[in-house]
Amino acid sequence: AQSVTQLGSHVSVSEGALVLLRCNYSSSVPPYLFWYVQYPNQGLQLLLKYTSAATLVKGINGFEAEFKKSETSFHLTKPSAHMSDAAEYFCAVSSNTDKLIFGTGTRLQVFP
Amino acid sequence: EPEVTQTPSHQVTQMGQEVILRCVPISNHLYFYWYRQILGQKVEFLVSFYNNEISEKSEIFDDQFSVERPDGSNFTLKIRSTKLEDSAMYFCASSPGTVRETQYFGPGTRLLVL
Repeated sequence: AQSVTQLGSHVSVSEGALVLLRCNYSSSVPPYLFWYVQYPNQGLQLLLKYTSAATLVKGINGFEAEFKKSETSFHLTKPSAHMSDAAEYFCAVSSNTDKLIFGTGTRLQVFP
Repeated sequence: EPEVTQTPSHQVTQMGQEVILRCVPISNHLYFYWYRQILGQKVEFLVSFYNNEISEKSEIFDDQFSVERPDGSNFTLKIRSTKLEDSAMYFCASSPGTVRETQYFGPGTRLLVL
């Protein structure tokens, strides 16, 4: 069975600081992994996805994530936070069917 | 850029009433999904739909729920007799292909059952 764990329900950073949002997965098959972002009162927008090609995946808005099989991790990073990055971020794993299994989400706050 | 749309954005209903949530997936997509997010909780899969039939459903998706693609553009979720615990944000998603393709989400319908 597949599952996702996001460590830290809330992360606060200063504008310009590094953003690190953690995601660990469990999967009985080679995983496809996704990061989605949800801005207030909006739907889920895909940031990036890992599909077994390159282990370092670049997404929109300067975000990237690295797939580390040995650590079963897919952490999301951005070198320099911007105020507009404040949102909820969800890590998800695709099962061996087509449903997405989401983590509990991490709310990112960015302070000036 | 094409996007998934959902109506209504908000719905308030009385317990026991039927509700229909509507979605218009991206036009050339073939796979359709419903997810829900109870306030403060994770996004949960409800059902997937392909070729006019359910391909997978979760344990949440009991006999009170049904899905339909009544025409070439709409995809609906019906809850026959709403319960208080059905209060949630309901997201529709669509994808162009099969397993592990990117799913594109709509903005959601916030359902409140009183």
